[in-house]
Amino acid sequence: EVQLVESGGGVVQPGGSLRLSCAASGFTFDDYAMHWVRQVPGKGLEWVSLIGGHGGSTYYADSVKGRFTVSRDNSKNSLYLHMNSLRTEDTALYYCAKDAGDGYPSPCDFWGQGTLVTVSS
Amino acid sequence: SYVVTQPPSESVAPGKTARITCGGKDIGSESVHWYQQKPGQAPVLVVYDDSDRPSGIPERFSGSNSGNTATLTISRVEAGDEADYFCQVWDSSSDHYVFGTGTKVTVL
Repeated sequence: EVQLVESGGGVVQPGGSLRLSCAASGFTFDDYAMHWVRQVPGKGLEWVSLIGGHGGSTYYADSVKGRFTVSRDNSKNSLYLHMNSLRTEDTALYYCAKDAGDGYPSPCDFWGQGTLVTVSS
Repeated sequence: SYVVTQPPSESVAPGKTARITCGGKDIGSESVHWYQQKPGQAPVLVVYDDSDRPSGIPERFSGSNSGNTATLTISRVEAGDEADYFCQVWDSSSDHYVFGTGTKVTVL
């Protein structure tokens, strides 16, 4: 059974940093690309980032490019999102999602339950 | 950047058919995926690559994509189908995934 468990969310001041983690199990982790998707509670979904199965390819939404960095440790079946220069508009529930293949244009076929990031002074 | 629009809401009686559209320039030339999200839950993939269904998704969910519009069709709607539905497409011009604005389906 595929499981994705996010952690690392919390309250941070504007300009601060945070690292989100996603622990994956139930599939061969390095065979699949992974995504981060965020959602302001009560609002729509916003794709944040994609990383290829072996970490060689990364993609970012314009809203986070230059501030966020996605990475993965295939030896630990873990995905990360390093978030710097956080803004109030980054406040959202952050989901980790498994790609159905190794990158675009595949869908996200499994999702975690999310970790909440609140950027506030 | 690529813009994908959905109607904000759709109301349908039980047993009837709901059609949710996803509009974008030449979206018919891209692969479109659809997600269902119920309150307090993570999204669930219900249709991928325009018209394929993941295992475990009822045949009542189907999709099509042509021209500037992709459509998710839910036949014989049930109370349990009440949810938000989002389309998703890969924008090859910008190397970004884009989600539609979402449609709230209400079962009357």
